[in-house]
Amino acid sequence: AQSVAQPEDQVNVAEGNPLTVKCTYSVSGNPYLFWYVQYPNRGLQFLLKYITGDNLVKGSYGFEAEFNKSQTSFHLKKPSALVSDSALYFCAVSSLTGGGNKLTFGTGTQLKVEL
Amino acid sequence: DTGVSQNPRHKITKRGQNVTFRCDPISEHNRLYWYRQTLGQGPEFLTYFQNEAQLEKSRLLSDRFSAERPKGSFSTLEIQRTEQGDSAMYLCASSLGSGRQATYEQYFGPGTRLTVT
Repeated sequence: AQSVAQPEDQVNVAEGNPLTVKCTYSVSGNPYLFWYVQYPNRGLQFLLKYITGDNLVKGSYGFEAEFNKSQTSFHLKKPSALVSDSALYFCAVSSLTGGGNKLTFGTGTQLKVEL
Repeated sequence: DTGVSQNPRHKITKRGQNVTFRCDPISEHNRLYWYRQTLGQGPEFLTYFQNEAQLEKSRLLSDRFSAERPKGSFSTLEIQRTEQGDSAMYLCASSLGSGRQATYEQYFGPGTRLTVT
């Protein structure tokens, strides 16, 4: 069985400061890892993914994430936060051994960026 | 390409009634997924199709739920004899998930919010 843990329900950061949203995972086989963002009353938007290759992946809106196999982590980062980044962020994992690349999501982390 | 669309966006029904939701995926995507999301939780996998074949169903999907994807295009999710516990956001996603052009990320529609009274 595959699982994702997002240990922080909420992360608060000042605009202009770096942000990190944490994610750890458990999966059989090689993980496929994803970050999605959800704005109120809107669907999930894909931000970035790790499938293979370079451990640092870059995505939309200046976000990046680092895959760490030994720590089974895939933390989301951004060097300089914007108020408009405030939203609900989900980490998700899938694998070929899981069948069909179905996604297992964490419970989400609410990011609040303040002026 | 207009992305994944879902209809209706909202549905209010009385307990015991049947409801059907529709999902139109991104046209070139061969995989289509259904998820359910309740307040404060991440989406939970329900079922998925590769082209027209339904390849996996979650144990969350009781016998009252059925999904189809005729001709490998749009999909419908039907819930029979709805219960209050079925109240949730039902999300559809599609991906190019197999073959040489596979990209694996799933693109989600806006969801259908079901309220069972």
